[in-house]
Amino acid sequence: QFQLQESGPGLVKPSETLSLACSVSGGSFTSPGYYWAWIRQPPGKGLEWIGSISYSGLPYFNPSLKSRVAMSVDTSKNQFSLKLNSVTAADTAVYYCARDRRYLDWSLFWYFDLWGRGSLITVSS
Amino acid sequence: QAALSQPPSASGSPGQSVTISCTGSSGDVGTYDYVSWYQQHPGKAPRLMIYEVNKRPSGVPDRFSGSKSGNTASLTVSGLQGEDEADYHCSSYAGSNNYVFGTGTKVTVL
Repeated sequence: QFQLQESGPGLVKPSETLSLACSVSGGSFTSPGYYWAWIRQPPGKGLEWIGSISYSGLPYFNPSLKSRVAMSVDTSKNQFSLKLNSVTAADTAVYYCARDRRYLDWSLFWYFDLWGRGSLITVSS
Repeated sequence: QAALSQPPSASGSPGQSVTISCTGSSGDVGTYDYVSWYQQHPGKAPRLMIYEVNKRPSGVPDRFSGSKSGNTASLTVSGLQGEDEADYHCSSYAGSNNYVFGTGTKVTVL
């Protein structure tokens, strides 16, 4: 069945760049009507949407993170990626990748219907 | 955009109902019927429970229902069961291809 799996370094030093990848399997990565999202959750806190990207590479970012975020896709690998630069301890969180449902025919949707298991990223020297 | 406001905790006895609120603004919940709710058990990924205010994905029990009035959306869990003990997060479309999440509510089954 459809699965998403995050992969990342686990530990990142302050001021460096956090890089994460999400591998998609069990279904089409290029189906129209879906975007691919990154969402994070600091320890003991709520969820925060980081951004979403289409399979063709069109990204949308959370305005509060936009200056530090980049996202990309690799359709040959069924994979999409996140880069967050100039990290601080406040960026310590579990990072989830998710499928972002957007539209079907003339209907619009705005929700995340499938999630990866999450990857804990700790920012520390 | 500011996070949607949820109560930190809610509780109920087995068989009872619990309702969780999610308060936003005219820039998100008040304008768009794209409110979704997610259940998250400890150490697990969130699971979609409600989308478009009151629609349930396949496989979600009909004990879960959603509604909206003005800038506030609500999730009601009827006939509480032990497995419903979890964190619940709301989310709304906030315009300009943006999402906003709520602060999260921990539901305890007494």
